Amino acid sequence: AQTVTQSQPEMSVQEAETVTLSCTYDTSESDYYLFWYKQPPSRQMILVIRQEAYKQQNATENRFSVNFQKAAKSFSLKISDSQLGDAAMYFCAYRRGGSQGNLIFGKGTKLSVKP
Amino acid sequence: DAGVIQSPRHEVTEMGQEVTLRCKPISGHDYLFWYRQTMMRGLELLIYFNNNVPIDDSGMPEDRFSAKMPNASFSTLKIQPSEPRDSAVYFCASSRTGGSGANVLTFGAGSRLTVL
Repeated sequence: AQTVTQSQPEMSVQEAETVTLSCTYDTSESDYYLFWYKQPPSRQMILVIRQEAYKQQNATENRFSVNFQKAAKSFSLKISDSQLGDAAMYFCAYRRGGSQGNLIFGKGTKLSVKP
Repeated sequence: DAGVIQSPRHEVTEMGQEVTLRCKPISGHDYLFWYRQTMMRGLELLIYFNNNVPIDDSGMPEDRFSAKMPNASFSTLKIQPSEPRDSAVYFCASSRTGGSGANVLTFGAGSRLTVL
């Protein structure tokens, strides 16, 4: 069975600094997708970024980028120029390819941003 | 598109009462998911549908829980009878096969259930 592990329950970053959130996963599949979702206090689940496993290039969305290491089964999220609005729970998630199956979540990392 | 719409946003009920949570997925999405979020267990999949057919209900806790999807634009999650341990936030999400944004789950705002 696929699993997703986030080893950092909490992280803190100074405003305008850079922070990296870690995520590892376990799968025997070759076709899959990885995601980072953000959950602010409003509890809305918001997609931050996604990565297709077949793509070697790391995904980037504005201040958010990933370091996808397929062989190591690692998928970290880097937030540059952190802003107060980035404070939230961040969930790493995995989904099998072909639009099959559900999204499997890690337990989350709570990110605090200090002014 | 208005996104995934869930109702009610908040529900407070007493133990033993029936609870019905509702979800309207994004138009054109063929997958619908029900998740439950608690502090202790995190985000758990309860059940998901593809083209209105239940595919995996192995996450449904017990017979007190049931879910239906009578058509492509509506799903319900029912708990009868409710118990205090059912208190959680319940999320509905939808996704589509193919096209731009395929494989991405879009979540509703969630329904916070409190069972006294």
